[in-house]
Order: sequence, then structure tokens, then C-alpha cells
Amino acid sequence: GAVVSQHPSWVICKSGTSVKIECRSLDFQATTMFWYRQFPKQSLMLMATSNEGSKATYEQGVEKDKFLINHASLTLSTLTVTSAHPEDSSFYICSAGNVAGVYNEQFFGPGTRLTVL
Amino acid sequence: AQSVTQPDIHITVSEGASLELRCNYSYGATPYLFWYVQSPGQGLQLLLKYFSGDTLVQGIKGFEAEFKRSQSSFNLRKPSVHWSDAAEYFCAVGSRLQFGAGTQVVVTP
Repeated sequence: GAVVSQHPSWVICKSGTSVKIECRSLDFQATTMFWYRQFPKQSLMLMATSNEGSKATYEQGVEKDKFLINHASLTLSTLTVTSAHPEDSSFYICSAGNVAGVYNEQFFGPGTRLTVL
Repeated sequence: AQSVTQPDIHITVSEGASLELRCNYSYGATPYLFWYVQSPGQGLQLLLKYFSGDTLVQGIKGFEAEFKRSQSSFNLRKPSVHWSDAAEYFCAVGSRLQFGAGTQVVVTP
């Protein structure tokens, strides 16, 4: 099956610093990648959708200057949390899709736990 | 607007017993419906999906789900649970995957 990896799996940083999270599709080319945020005991909330080579589309309420997304290749997307603060602490999950059309099946990465001190 | 409701936040079931997880949705047309499972340290795994056709859908790991348009439901079932089925289960709707709040399943010996 399609495999998606995320790196790092967990990260602790100081308030005010920036953190980059990588999402890679290991055995397929992902035309579209999605970034989700999951709070403890809550569901996944879509943050943004990125297509290779174009700007990401952010969901309402997500600060694009805060959460920078780059999808430079068909196998890699990055999420950078800029000037992180404790309220940005969360579980970030990416997914990747490789089928164009009405339904684009998504394959999920294992997630990255971000803790901002 | 589309929405997904999983009424049960937490379910405890004995190993070998049957399991049913509820999912209700609100959608303008026949939706795409999904069930995912999330285990600690692992990514969400697709159990099954419904787009059209037979309303009883078979998935992986012995799970099945039934689409009932009249009840706007897509409940997940498994006849006999295994300890390895302990996880968080999410129902999702639509091509952009709007997720329900999830149901935590605990399996007791």
C-alpha cells in the first residue's frame, strides 16, 4: 500500500522559534497533500490543501503566515510553524493523494507531536 | 453544510463480543462515506468506504458498514472484536474528508 512518512515524529521547541515538519510519500507521487491538526481527544481539522508547484489553499481561520506550507515536489510537502507559541502545541498529521478525479484517496502519515514550551 | 456526528465518545467491549460504532451525517447529496482507524504511533488507516451501489460495504480487518439513506447513517460493525481492535475510530464524509469527533474503543479480556 501507499506509505506516507512524517519527520520528526515529535518535537519540543521554545516559544518564538519556528519548526518545520516534513511529509513524504515514499512509494508514490502525491499530486495533492493535506495538513491536519488534531487536539487531544478531538477530531482532525483540515488546515490546508497543497498541490505540487502551487500555493496552498488554507481553510477558514488558519493563518497562512503562521503555518507555511511548501509542496515543492511530488513526494515532499513541508509545514513550518513560524514563531510558535504554546497554543500551537498539537498533533499535526499530513496525508497524500495520488489519484486525480472526483475522489482523491488520501494516505495518512503517522503524525508529528509538537510541544511548544 | 455537511457534518458528521459520532454519538459515542467511548465504547468498552469484551474480546469476542460484537461491536457497532455509530455515525450520522448531514449532506446535500449522496455522500462519500469513510471509516478510518487510528492507532497510537500510526497513521489513520482506511477501513472501508462507500461511494455508491451496494449499501453494505465490506472492509479490512473483518469490519463492515451499512449505508442507510433514510437514517443518514453509516454504522460500522464487527461481529467479534480482537484485542488489537482497541483504537480510535473516525467516520468521515465528503471528498474533502470532514471527520467526526471519533470513538475510542477499549477491548477488555
